Amino acid sequence: ETGVTQTPRHLVMGMTNKKSLKCEQHLGHNAMYWYKQSAKKPLELMFVYSLEERVENNSVPSRFSPECPNSSHLFLHLHTLQPEDSALYLCASSQGQGADTEAFFGQGTRLTVV
Amino acid sequence: GQNIDQPTEMTATEGAIVQINCTYQTSGFNGLFWYQQHAGEAPTFLSYNVLDGLEEKGRFSSFLSRSKGYSYLLLKELQMKDSASYLCAVRDGNTGFQKLVFGTGTRLLVSP
Repeated sequence: ETGVTQTPRHLVMGMTNKKSLKCEQHLGHNAMYWYKQSAKKPLELMFVYSLEERVENNSVPSRFSPECPNSSHLFLHLHTLQPEDSALYLCASSQGQGADTEAFFGQGTRLTVV
Repeated sequence: GQNIDQPTEMTATEGAIVQINCTYQTSGFNGLFWYQQHAGEAPTFLSYNVLDGLEEKGRFSSFLSRSKGYSYLLLKELQMKDSASYLCAVRDGNTGFQKLVFGTGTRLLVSP
C-alpha cells in the first residue's frame, strides 16, 4: 500500500474545462513532485516543492499550475488543456532532496483530454 | 543535458535470469536508481547505486560503472509477478533540487 494517495484515479476533461488533481502523502516527507508519464516517453519532471517552496521546470506550459498549501498536500490545477496533455500524472514525495533520497510515488491520475 | 537509454522490451522464462541494461550520459551524476512499475500502478523503488560495484537485494541486484556510464539490473529466479516495466533513473547533482531523470523504461514479460 502506497503512502502517497492521488485523486481522482481517472479524469476525462474537455479542452475548455478547469480541473484539479490532488496528491496527499502520509509519510512525513518534506519534498513533493509532479511527473508526467506519456506512452513510450520517459517520466518527465514537471514541478518540485521542497519545504513548500516551488522549484519549477521552465518547460511546463502555464496551463498547468501547481499548488502546495502544506508539506502533505500537492495540487495540480489544469485549465484549457490540449489533447497532447493526455497522460498519466504521477505525484511523488521524498524526505529531503539528498542524492540517495528515494522518491515514493502515488498510483497516478490517468488524464484524457477530449 | 542528460540522456538515458534502456531496451524497450525484453522477454524471459519463469525461473531464468535476466539482465536489464541502462546507459546514461549526464554532466552531474549523483546516483542511479532502479524502479519497478506494474501496469496501472505506482513505480516502486528497487535499488540505489552511487559507487561502482554490485548491490544485492534478494533476487534483485544492481551494478554500476561510473566510468562507463553503465548500470544493469539483474533479476534471478524469475517469477510471473516480475512482469513489469523497469525504470532506470539518474540523479543530476547539477540542479539545486537533485533532479531525478528517468529513462523510458524496459517492459519485461515473463512467460511460463
